[in-house]
Amino acid sequence: EDQVTQSPEALRLQEGESSSLNCSYTVSGLRGLFWYRQDPGKGPEFLFTLYSAGEEKEKERLKATLTKKESFLHITAPKPEDSATYLCAGGTGAGGGNKLTFGTGTQLKVEL
Amino acid sequence: DTEVTQTPKHLVMGMTNKKSLKCEQHMGHRAMYWYKQKAKKPPELMFVYSYEKLSINESVPSRFSPECPNSSLLNLHLHALQPEDSALYLCASSQDASNQPQHFGDGTRLSIL
Repeated sequence: EDQVTQSPEALRLQEGESSSLNCSYTVSGLRGLFWYRQDPGKGPEFLFTLYSAGEEKEKERLKATLTKKESFLHITAPKPEDSATYLCAGGTGAGGGNKLTFGTGTQLKVEL
Repeated sequence: DTEVTQTPKHLVMGMTNKKSLKCEQHMGHRAMYWYKQKAKKPPELMFVYSYEKLSINESVPSRFSPECPNSSLLNLHLHALQPEDSALYLCASSQDASNQPQHFGDGTRLSIL
């Protein structure tokens, strides 16, 4: 059975305090690893797709990396507006539909 | 603002009512998805449409009936729902049904009385 596990479940950081979120996966036939950000009462907002081990992508204070077993979302010098739940998902898209298996998320709170 | 628009934002219905949720995208995407999300849980896939044809049904009860009238629209028809069906219903779209990223709307918050 496909499984995606995220840690930690919750993380409190001071503004400017860098850290990393972990996403471990066992997804048969993985075709892409996706990171999303979700604010309360909103839908997930797409951040990154990683397709192969060794790939890295950056956007502002966020950097996502991928190995054969896990992905990391590095947050550098976070600000309060980075507070959200971060979800990762493994995708097995192959024509019929990109089935995403989501992790349970890391709830990040960045304080002043 | 998201490019996937869902209406209504909130819906309260009784167990005997019939209602529909609507989703619209104008990004030219050819795959559309319905998800259900309970509080503090990740989204769970319900249905996938690829080129307006139903390609995946994740064993969803028949009281949920999806419809894709054209490439921009996706409906979810609801009938005889149960209280446990109360959740946030999310629509998403992607360029196609391969490994392209999915873009989500902000959902319909559904409450069953």
